[in-house]
Amino acid sequence: DIQMTQSPSSVSASVGDRVTITCRASQGISSWLAWYQQKPGKAPKLLIYAASSLQSGVPSRFSGSGSGTDFTLTISSLQPEDFATYYCQQANSFPRDSGFGPGTKVDIK
Amino acid sequence: EVQLVESGGGLVQPGGSLRLSCAASGFTFSSYWMSWVRQAPGKGLEWVANIKQDGSEKYYVDSVKGRFTISRDNAKNSLYLQMNSLRAEDTAVYYCARDLGRRPLGYYGMDVWGQGTTVTVSS
Repeated sequence: DIQMTQSPSSVSASVGDRVTITCRASQGISSWLAWYQQKPGKAPKLLIYAASSLQSGVPSRFSGSGSGTDFTLTISSLQPEDFATYYCQQANSFPRDSGFGPGTKVDIK
Repeated sequence: EVQLVESGGGLVQPGGSLRLSCAASGFTFSSYWMSWVRQAPGKGLEWVANIKQDGSEKYYVDSVKGRFTISRDNAKNSLYLQMNSLRAEDTAVYYCARDLGRRPLGYYGMDVWGQGTTVTVSS
């Protein structure tokens, strides 16, 4: 099974900061990766698909990059509504397995 | 409006059963893979199961194989999760999600989610 790790597990940042979250797969997964944002008590929201494509309606300050084993989610200028937990999800063996990373919590500094 | 609404959660004793439902509206339900994802209290997301558009393929995370069954009724625009032999570690919020699957550019993700239904397994 492919294992996903995320770093950091949490980050404290201020409004306007640039925030970068890394997701690493235990083996190559090409571009079979998505990113989600989840706020407390709410369902996850799709931000990025195919590793680097911005989901419709998602602000352009969010961007994704990477391929193979190393991926990055970047928030170029953190806004108050961006304080949340972010998850990556791999689908290299879709539909048999679609595991999530452990999450990265972004909170207020 | 594209929408998924889960129901059927509740408190159940260890070893018991529960059937979750997910009602879809605003899109052609029969055209999409569908998934169940759960989140234990204070924990991260865990993919549980998915089902192909016509119900001919079903896949499960190892921890629920043999205990949970995913199904769908395209005529009723509904997705189900039958959960048997429930354990304390199955306690979670269960979400249904529309899964866009793999396409030429890559994995397109789960783009529509329900609000979740809470399952608590406790004596």
